[in-house]
Amino acid sequence: RKEVEQDPGPFNVPEGATVAFNCTYSNSASQSFFWYRQDCRKEPKLLMSVYSSGNEDGRFTAQLNRASQYISLLIRDSKLSDSATYLCVVILGFGNEKLTFGTGTRLTIIP
Amino acid sequence: GAVVSQHPSRVICKSGTSVKIECRSLDFQATTMFWYRQFPKQSLMLMATSNEGSKATYEQGVEKDKFLINHASLTLSTLTVTSAHPEDSSFYICSARDNTASKTQYFGPGTRLLVL
Repeated sequence: RKEVEQDPGPFNVPEGATVAFNCTYSNSASQSFFWYRQDCRKEPKLLMSVYSSGNEDGRFTAQLNRASQYISLLIRDSKLSDSATYLCVVILGFGNEKLTFGTGTRLTIIP
Repeated sequence: GAVVSQHPSRVICKSGTSVKIECRSLDFQATTMFWYRQFPKQSLMLMATSNEGSKATYEQGVEKDKFLINHASLTLSTLTVTSAHPEDSSFYICSARDNTASKTQYFGPGTRLLVL
């Protein structure tokens, strides 16, 4: 089983729609969780951290479910500029600060 | 925000040659930097963790004699791909971890390597 798994997509969503992605992780001891976005042929950029209580940043909402070992990202009122690959990232912690990336979920917003 | 640069951004080389990639943290100090590789349509895979003033820690399956890492200062780490072969063609990305309490990792823009 992969350490971090995502549905690769692609998700083709009309502009203005709401879209959600999930990501599962295998190590129940994992401590930190993030969503990054990666545009084509570019480096990943931090979108948001994911906190146990869930957190929101504008149109983006991230949630963590430790019992089921998954995190989610919800994008409301999607914009054309949201088209990208969204990467789920997990850090084990306890001195191991290695970022473990999922393969990413590709999102295309259609006009 | 914090900036990490990589040089070169793109390199094409002949098989058998060596290629050096630089990763610099421009406005912060980074005791630890990471080197990743990403093949098309795949996730980033950590190759090694570079520690200033000490030997790098390589991930399983990554040849340390082929991918030489030097982290001589708090703002610079280099990755040298020795005797490059076509299968080494990939997108190489570094990240630098801020030495402050946040320990945030900032990614460089990546280096696209094509070995002919």
